[in-house]
Amino acid sequence: GESVGLHLPTLSVQEGDNSIINCAYSNSASDYFIWYKQESGKGPQFIIDIRSNMDKRQGQRVTVLLNKTVKHLSLQIAATQPGDSAVYFCAENGHYNQGGKLIFGQGTELSVKP
Amino acid sequence: SQTIHQWPATLVQPVGSPLSLECTVEGTSNPNLYWYRQAAGRGLQLLFYSIGIDQISSEVPQNLSASRPQDRQFILSSKKLLLSDSGFYLCACPDSSAEKLFFGSGTQLSVL
Repeated sequence: GESVGLHLPTLSVQEGDNSIINCAYSNSASDYFIWYKQESGKGPQFIIDIRSNMDKRQGQRVTVLLNKTVKHLSLQIAATQPGDSAVYFCAENGHYNQGGKLIFGQGTELSVKP
Repeated sequence: SQTIHQWPATLVQPVGSPLSLECTVEGTSNPNLYWYRQAAGRGLQLLFYSIGIDQISSEVPQNLSASRPQDRQFILSSKKLLLSDSGFYLCACPDSSAEKLFFGSGTQLSVL
């Protein structure tokens, strides 16, 4: 079946280091991918998205990389800060391709050490 | 930009009791609304989506139901809660591009 999964459930990094969070997806029909950040007790917040016609997209301190050959998505956070501590989810649009229906991965908990 | 209101923020209910969670949205031009559930330490599971008033689709068989009595109102209900209904419930709506979802603040439901 469809699945969006993350390689590691937890990631601990030192403040100031770069973080890389990985995600594997299985639906080759997916053409849109999103990363969300979820702080404890809150709803997920949009971070960055990328379409399948792109390999890389940059935002403020964040970069998303897409490798369609191996169906792999990654989120890079530069100069990680304590405020970046949260659970990060990748999501894909699967075969829905409309209306905002997304398939979410399990999530990776990022912990930033001061 | 859209605003999603969810209440209550937390809820503790006994097994067998009814449930009603409400979600209202403002500032969106896209009619689609969604209910997701998140178990502790897990990802988000789509429960229901609605494309308009009284138009509800269920994604997974379960003990819950959803209704959309008004365009900007989406309600999640149960007649008798089960322990397995515990979780974090999130209402969501797409942005104008109809691709990325925006989420409400969620309701943490504990069934005891």
